[in-house]
Amino acid sequence: QTVVTQEPSFSVSPGGTVTLTCGLSSGSVSTSYYPSWYQQTPGQAPRTLIYSTNTRSSGVPDRFSGSILGNKAALTITGAQADDESDYYCVLYMGSVLFGGGTKLTVL
Amino acid sequence: QVQLVQSGAEVKKPGASVKVSCKASGYTFTSYGISWVRQAPGQGLEWMGWISAYNGNTNYAQKLQGRVTMTTDTSTSTAYMELRSLRSDDTAVYYCARTDNHDLYFDYWGQGTLVTVSS
Repeated sequence: QTVVTQEPSFSVSPGGTVTLTCGLSSGSVSTSYYPSWYQQTPGQAPRTLIYSTNTRSSGVPDRFSGSILGNKAALTITGAQADDESDYYCVLYMGSVLFGGGTKLTVL
Repeated sequence: QVQLVQSGAEVKKPGASVKVSCKASGYTFTSYGISWVRQAPGQGLEWMGWISAYNGNTNYAQKLQGRVTMTTDTSTSTAYMELRSLRSDDTAVYYCARTDNHDLYFDYWGQGTLVTVSS
């Protein structure tokens, strides 16, 4: 069974840059899996950040960007702010939809 | 503006069924799908399945096959998710999400419905 892998946690300094990744337990992530990224703060519904690998959802600031890095999808946050402290989930479409386990991002 | 408004919290006993609704507004309902995603307390997000609001086609997560049914009522722009034979590990917040059928992503989310399964 294919598992989507994400770093369990990551830390970034305010103003810094961080790249979160989204891989597969077997194989490489490609654009044909339509990688998307979601941000969630406790008690809130997820917010859509990136879809189709690198397209920002409406209203998402351009300091959030998506890409393929090597064999993984990646979400890069440049100029991290305190309110970026959230859980981040990637999603891949592989016939059915697979969520990664999420990355808890701390900004400090 | 696009809105998805879900029904209220539910408390169910093990073995019972629950049906959660998701009323859509602000867009042409049949032009998108609706996915259902759940989140157990302190856990990550889990995709449950998808339904086309255009023709009712469905795609369910394998682990829920046989226990979940997703339907839509185009006359009221409402999607429904029914989960049967509830167990304690079905306790979760259930979200509906509008699904773009071309780029295969969730672009708008409901507010979530807490379903608690407890004897």
